[in-house]
Amino acid sequence: GENVEQHPSTLSVQEGDSAVIKCTYSDSASNYFPWYKQELGKRPQLIIDIRSNVGEKKDQRIAVTLNKTAKHFSLHITETQPEDSAVYFCAASRSNYQLIWGAGTKLIIKP
Amino acid sequence: DVKVTQSSRYLVKRTGEKVFLECVQDMDHENMFWYRQDPGLGLRLIYFSYDVKMKEKGDIPEGYSVSREKKERFSLILESASTNQTSMYLCASSLGGGLGYTFGSGTRLTVV
Repeated sequence: GENVEQHPSTLSVQEGDSAVIKCTYSDSASNYFPWYKQELGKRPQLIIDIRSNVGEKKDQRIAVTLNKTAKHFSLHITETQPEDSAVYFCAASRSNYQLIWGAGTKLIIKP
Repeated sequence: DVKVTQSSRYLVKRTGEKVFLECVQDMDHENMFWYRQDPGLGLRLIYFSYDVKMKEKGDIPEGYSVSREKKERFSLILESASTNQTSMYLCASSLGGGLGYTFGSGTRLTVV
């Protein structure tokens, strides 16, 4: 069935370094790809998204890239800070109103 | 901002009890969803609704039912709570096509 694979499950980086989280989707009809951040004890919140007609999108220190041919999309965080520590979820749109979710990546920023 | 409000932040219920989790959104979204979140398992869809009185099973509907009598309210019902239903439950609402997905703060349910 349709699914989204997300890697790695845990990522530990030194403060100031970059972090990259990768997702692969299976449904070729998916055309919307959001990323959500969930801080400890809080709700997931949208941080950036991209549509299938765009290859890259940036918002300050975060960027998302999309390769439709390979069905890959990635989240890039530069100059990581302690407040970036969280669980990050990728998702891909599904035809029946839903999003298909990746399993999540726990990002740990080491001081 | 869209607000999605879940009625309880923490609940403790006994095995066999009927449990109601309530979710209300204030932005006239057509679509509403119930997920459960367990460590290492991500977000698993229980049920969703794309219109009043309409419902669709998600990936793990067993042991749950839902009700959507009004557009703004989507209720999750555990007919007979069991200990394996101890989890964090997240409600969400959205526009079509996955856009504007907004989550509630979650209800942490413990079944003893």
